[in-house]
Amino acid sequence: NAGVMQNPRHLVRRRGQEARLRCSPMKGHSHVYWYRQLPEEGLKFMVYLQKENIIDESGMPKERFSAEFPKEGPSILRIQQVVRGDSAAYFCASSPPLGGLGEQYFGPGTRLTVT
Amino acid sequence: AQSVTQLDSQVPVFEEAPVELRCNYSSSVSVYLFWYVQYPNQGLQLLLKYLSGSTLVESINGFEAEFNKSQTSFHLRKPSVHISDTAEYFCAVISQGAQKLVFGQGTRLTINP
Repeated sequence: NAGVMQNPRHLVRRRGQEARLRCSPMKGHSHVYWYRQLPEEGLKFMVYLQKENIIDESGMPKERFSAEFPKEGPSILRIQQVVRGDSAAYFCASSPPLGGLGEQYFGPGTRLTVT
Repeated sequence: AQSVTQLDSQVPVFEEAPVELRCNYSSSVSVYLFWYVQYPNQGLQLLLKYLSGSTLVESINGFEAEFNKSQTSFHLRKPSVHISDTAEYFCAVISQGAQKLVFGQGTRLTINP
């Protein structure tokens, strides 16, 4: 049973480019979460999605960031016009349909470097 | 709203020594509590969790944590650490019925031979 998969594992973008981060949840999981880990900090919640729905995006920056979880395919976190401050590790997590009593299973993360 | 405070950003200990990583939380509602471990350049792995019942919970690799409601704490302990325990440890809470994990800042555990 494969775990949460994220790709790419490392992504380098120049300022102003777009970054697309992908997340495939564990089999049978329909809830996806994105967290960001800035250097020397803990993880901060960004967005919570179910299939085709954004449930809570209270942690998403107001501009340049968007997320989706289509009916088919992985969840995508998209960052437009990246800036140096976007450099971070982005982790995706998933949980079963009933939320799993708060348990979330994390992927290995995508480390974004903006040059 | 919830918050989590990990009082120590770094904890160096010698191999086979005991260790305690401290975690305090604040919340106006009931919460579930978790410890996650992050090995270098890897993602987070669930180490142990408190959902209900016995306030002392244990992991398969010798760690344990005790939920103390009166002190709003969930400290992580191990009686004898190994070099392989070198990692960053994150305490996290989630409100019962909610979907958003709130993490502490992390504690970097360094084991010296």
